[in-house]
Amino acid sequence: GAGVSQSPSNKVTEKGKDVELRCDPISGHTALYWYRQSLGQGLEFLIYFQGNSAPDKSGLPSDRFSAERTGGSVSTLTIQRTQQEDSAVYLCASSLDYSSTDTQYFGPGTRLTVL
Amino acid sequence: QKEVEQNSGPLSVPEGAIASLNCTYSDRGSQSFFWYRQYSGKSPELIMFIYSNGDKEDGRFTAQLNKASQYVSLLIRDSQPSDSATYLCAARGPSNQGGKLIFGQGTELSVKP
Repeated sequence: GAGVSQSPSNKVTEKGKDVELRCDPISGHTALYWYRQSLGQGLEFLIYFQGNSAPDKSGLPSDRFSAERTGGSVSTLTIQRTQQEDSAVYLCASSLDYSSTDTQYFGPGTRLTVL
Repeated sequence: QKEVEQNSGPLSVPEGAIASLNCTYSDRGSQSFFWYRQYSGKSPELIMFIYSNGDKEDGRFTAQLNKASQYVSLLIRDSQPSDSATYLCAARGPSNQGGKLIFGQGTELSVKP
């Protein structure tokens, strides 16, 4: 079946603009995760959804970042008033459930460049 | 101290040799451990996971876990140039914490023909 999909694949924006990044998880996967990968920082956790609720938002770097998930499926990560340090690849992953042995499958990512 | 640590490399091995990738973690509550491979410009793809002490083999890959030493490793036998990539070790917490992955910085592996 189809894997995790993300859109757009690339996004270039100007500092101060808002951006929305979309993630479509694997059908039937209840858990959805957002990560960010930037040079020198590795892959860092942002937020996790179980169904439509977000029990763990601990990785969001500031209140400019928010995310929602609707219908237990698609998720949107919104970054308001973007800053240059927000430039990174944003990766979404989904897993069947949130058990510690459930595998997380990653989407292709969205490369965000803030000018 | 980072929660998951890996040598950044690069680790260079000749084709056909065994590549050994190592990872240590600090949180004893970590339940399971995942190895992902990431080619340049691509997203991570799962190689294998392990959650019990000992060895787990899958084809040319063997994962090893020692919870007492908080140490995880990945062995790649008969290394091929196509194995050249960055290998990410990740620790996953218990399900009551949502199971987020904590990644190491990754080890860059180069397999020379």
